[in-house]
Amino acid sequence: AQSVAQPEDQVNVAEGNPLTVKCTYSVSGNPYLFWYVQYPNRGLQFLLKYITGDNLVKGSYGFEAEFNKSQTSFHLKKPSALVSDSALYFCAVRDSGGYQKVTFGIGTKLQVIP
Amino acid sequence: GAVVSQHPSWVICKSGTSVKIECRSLDFQATTMFWYRQFPKQSLMLMATSNEGSKATYEQGVEKDKFLINHASLTLSTLTVTSAHPEDSSFYICSARDEAVSNQPQHFGDGTRLSIL
Repeated sequence: AQSVAQPEDQVNVAEGNPLTVKCTYSVSGNPYLFWYVQYPNRGLQFLLKYITGDNLVKGSYGFEAEFNKSQTSFHLKKPSALVSDSALYFCAVRDSGGYQKVTFGIGTKLQVIP
Repeated sequence: GAVVSQHPSWVICKSGTSVKIECRSLDFQATTMFWYRQFPKQSLMLMATSNEGSKATYEQGVEKDKFLINHASLTLSTLTVTSAHPEDSSFYICSARDEAVSNQPQHFGDGTRLSIL
């Protein structure tokens, strides 16, 4: 069975500082990994994905994530946080072998403090 | 690209009413659509997966007679909450994926806030 862990319920960061939102995963095969962002009363917006290739993936709105196979992690990062980045962030994983459903983490609330 | 439109965004209705929620992929063909339910401060709970032209696959514990799903075309799936009761109040979100294109992420609608009085 596949799973995703987002160990932090909430992350607080000052505006202009770098931010990291943590994610670790477990799959039996090779992982497809995703990050989504959700604003209040909205659906999820796709930020970025890792399928194969470079471990550092760049996505929307200046976000990037680093795939680390040995640590089974896929942490989301941004060099300089904006107040408008405050939202709920979901990490998701899907096993690359055959048809598999996507499993979402429980979400991490990011609060950027002005 | 990859826009998913979900309608309505907000529904308030009386107990016993049936409510239909539509999910449309606007600029791609969604061979697979997913329906989720999200409780406050919780992650998404997958309710069912629907493939165009076939019956939906429901997750364990989801009543298929309660939550009717129809995926009649490659751009439209509907979720009907039949005889809704207050405990069905929740935020329902659909997503779509084009399985014909490999490694595509799911794209989400903006959700429907359902409130049953």
